Amino acid sequence: QQQVKQSPQSLIVQKGGISIINCAYENTAFDYFPWYQQFPGKGPALLIAIRPDVSEKKEGRFTISFNKSAKQFSLHIMDSQPGDSATYFCAASVPSGTYKYIFGTGTRLKVLA
Amino acid sequence: DAGVTQSPTHLIKTRGQQVTLRCSPKSGHDTVSWYQQALGQGPQFIFQYYEEEERQRGNFPDRFSGHQFPNYSSELNVNALLLGDSALYLCASSFGSTHYGYTFGSGTRLTVV
Repeated sequence: QQQVKQSPQSLIVQKGGISIINCAYENTAFDYFPWYQQFPGKGPALLIAIRPDVSEKKEGRFTISFNKSAKQFSLHIMDSQPGDSATYFCAASVPSGTYKYIFGTGTRLKVLA
Repeated sequence: DAGVTQSPTHLIKTRGQQVTLRCSPKSGHDTVSWYQQALGQGPQFIFQYYEEEERQRGNFPDRFSGHQFPNYSSELNVNALLLGDSALYLCASSFGSTHYGYTFGSGTRLTVV
């Protein structure tokens, strides 16, 4: 119930293409869903986040689509660039007041030039 | 404005030894959360400190303990190290009970041999 399942494990996209990463959850009490980008040797950096009362959020080339009934959410990276090559993690916040995040297992994205 | 600072960046320890990792939160932040990230996995919540007290704990044994100082900096201590404790240890800071500004450091890479 506390898991967040992420797919695919790895993704290769051509420059200019759309990268799509999917996550699914079971716990309907999760109340905040951030996406993080992590480069080798660095900590995760927040990309974009959404709350379950919103179906879509867009920030620049990054869009989160959220399907509350299906308990799924996805990250779309439009016009993918080689600099986007990194590992992406979805996460969900446990509504306990401590803002503890449950992370997915990660997607390693490679954008070919 | 300095972000979250963690030290040391790398550490090699022998099985059975004890280790202390340190974290200085981002300026203005008063809450520190610790995560363990095994190779190829997403970060897993260890515990969170707020007002010098452990506020919530993840599924980690008592060998993992922590402390928060009056200046909001924090330490993570791991006793009786096991080979399986080898991981990237991440510290995240935030302000109070909010997702706002939840920021990760670059982590400490611990290798247990």
